[in-house]
Amino acid sequence: SQQGEEDPQALSIQEGENATMNCSYKTSINNLQWYRQNSGRGLVHLILIRSNEREKHSGRLRVTLDTSKKSSSLLITASRAADTASYFCATGGMDSSYKLIFGSGTRLLVRP
Amino acid sequence: AAGVIQSPRHLIKEKRETATLKCYPIPRHDTVYWYQQGPGQDPQFLISFYEKMQSDKGSIPDRFSAQQFSDYHSELNMSSLELGDSALYFCASSLSYGNEQFFGPGTRLTVL
Repeated sequence: SQQGEEDPQALSIQEGENATMNCSYKTSINNLQWYRQNSGRGLVHLILIRSNEREKHSGRLRVTLDTSKKSSSLLITASRAADTASYFCATGGMDSSYKLIFGSGTRLLVRP
Repeated sequence: AAGVIQSPRHLIKEKRETATLKCYPIPRHDTVYWYQQGPGQDPQFLISFYEKMQSDKGSIPDRFSAQQFSDYHSELNMSSLELGDSALYFCASSLSYGNEQFFGPGTRLTVL
């Protein structure tokens, strides 16, 4: 990946458990966005957190951002089988277009 | 709510042929981004437009060109197609810079 790594690369949990995914990046950012992708399909926007924010919630999702460590985490609480997907973090930089640079993704499997 | 529209959804071409991919952003979004996702890879930024002007360029081959029209839709033109161009091509739109980028369903291009 151009930007960094996501950890773990793959995660298998039981329905009802929480899932935590971590993302590290290399450069200064304006924002960080998390996406979900079901196998070979579109990227669904989950949440955006700006560089001056530390934590954000949306439903069962909680995102944290630590700009000093250049890292972010996505927590999915009370997971469901339908949460099975790949999750990508993507950083929007400080350049002219705020293009997104994606991490390598975490493949999440939620077992029913 | 209206989403990003991409056409066609699937495209099969022979080597050395040309292809045109279309993207219709969310209404009132003025910024369009193109990304390429190879099999098992994370999406890679290709090119972006803001208010019909190219704003940034990534790892886009010289064989590819793109533009944004007066109605804000965008087209990605690909010539002299190679086997390695087989990928998912995503268009994303946002309201100006530094905001959520919403992705279309993608065009799956297969080059034989």
